[in-house]
Amino acid sequence: SQKIEQNSEALNIQEGKTATLTCNYTNYSPAYLQWYRQDPGRGPVFLLLIRENEKEKRKERLKVTFDTTLKQSLFHITASQPADSATYLCALDDDSGAGSYQLTFGKGTKLSVIP
Amino acid sequence: EPEVTQTPSHQVTQMGQEVILRCVPISNHLYFYWYRQILGQKVEFLVSFYNNEISEKSEIFDDQFSVERPDGSNFTLKIRSTKLEDSAMYFCASSVLGVGTGETQYFGPGTRLLVL
Repeated sequence: SQKIEQNSEALNIQEGKTATLTCNYTNYSPAYLQWYRQDPGRGPVFLLLIRENEKEKRKERLKVTFDTTLKQSLFHITASQPADSATYLCALDDDSGAGSYQLTFGKGTKLSVIP
Repeated sequence: EPEVTQTPSHQVTQMGQEVILRCVPISNHLYFYWYRQILGQKVEFLVSFYNNEISEKSEIFDDQFSVERPDGSNFTLKIRSTKLEDSAMYFCASSVLGVGTGETQYFGPGTRLLVL
């Protein structure tokens, strides 16, 4: 099964700057990689999905890249705002064997945007 | 916008007691999931359910756990004899298609279970 590492547990940035979060996986390249946002005491909320044949995906101020050579995805938030402060989770479809899958999450990076 | 709901939001129980956590998935979704998140740790997959049977389960989902869809709307997780280490946030999720298709999962707000 996959092991997912998100580069840091916490990231502090100034409002207006671009936040860049990293997700690395260890084994085979998944068909899909997803990013979720989680606020304290709440469930994860889906943000973006990127497929293995896509290099980049954008949604408003969010951008995700997927590099299967590096086994890495980068998640960018441009023009960051204090409201972007949350924990961001990387998740991928993990083949648990015999063609069955489960969604496996990284531990997350807690982003704090300082006004 | 449709959303997954869960009850109760908080549950306190004594070790060894049975608990049932309830979820109402989004109505047109076909796949249902339970996850748990121990405080400060990552979200962990427990089980997936499709067509009235378990389609996938993790090592965490042992004989103490069971899931059921007792009617057309509810999806439940039962823990038969709770242990201290079962204390966690439990999330229900649902999706139209299953994992491996790139389908988004929609998560509920969670039930915080505390075993004393």
